[in-house]
Amino acid sequence: EAQVTQNPRYLITVTGKKLTVTCSQNMNHEYMSWYRQDPGLGLRQIYYSMNVEVTDKGDVPEGYKVSRKEKRNFPLILESPSPNQTSLYFCASSLWGGSSYEQYFGPGTRLTVT
Amino acid sequence: QKEVEQDPGPLSVPEGAIVSLNCTYSNSAFQYFMWYRQYSRKGPELLMYTYSSGNKEDGRFTAQVDKSSKYISLFIRDSQPSDSATYLCAMSVWGGSQGNLIFGKGTKLSVKP
Repeated sequence: EAQVTQNPRYLITVTGKKLTVTCSQNMNHEYMSWYRQDPGLGLRQIYYSMNVEVTDKGDVPEGYKVSRKEKRNFPLILESPSPNQTSLYFCASSLWGGSSYEQYFGPGTRLTVT
Repeated sequence: QKEVEQDPGPLSVPEGAIVSLNCTYSNSAFQYFMWYRQYSRKGPELLMYTYSSGNKEDGRFTAQVDKSSKYISLFIRDSQPSDSATYLCAMSVWGGSQGNLIFGKGTKLSVKP
């Protein structure tokens, strides 16, 4: 089954404790992206990757890091999480950057930072 | 002014009603216009997309883009309880050369049996 998977689905952590949210897709997509979704603010792009070793900032990259060493994986790293990073996070992928209007989203990771 | 404006609702309609969902935008460079549907506790899924102006129909769903007014709409005919979800409009400059989609905040729709 073609899908985007994220782990963990739920995470409660404390301020300053480094964490990684994994994202993997099995569709051989070139383009991958991370979003956060907050009430009243909607979906906002954090980082995206056009291909392996090619990443760039989205609209709200502060406090996040990403890497793209393999085509299928695009982990989101929070080096020192803070309470304002409490949010619902989605990973997404599309065939290539030019087709990013059609993105396939993962199920989401709900992160709480206390 | 936000780049993309969307009334968050909530919108409640009886089964069988025609639903109209709308977004306005300010960036005249947008070329791709999308509607995503998001069920509770799920990730968004693409419902329809339109390139430039015009209409596109898919079953009970019709997407309209009026670039002169910077206004897009999604119409749902014969609405069903299974259509209850949050509908997100999204836009990009072209296919997203930088992969950057700009989303509206979403409209929560409830279709009552």
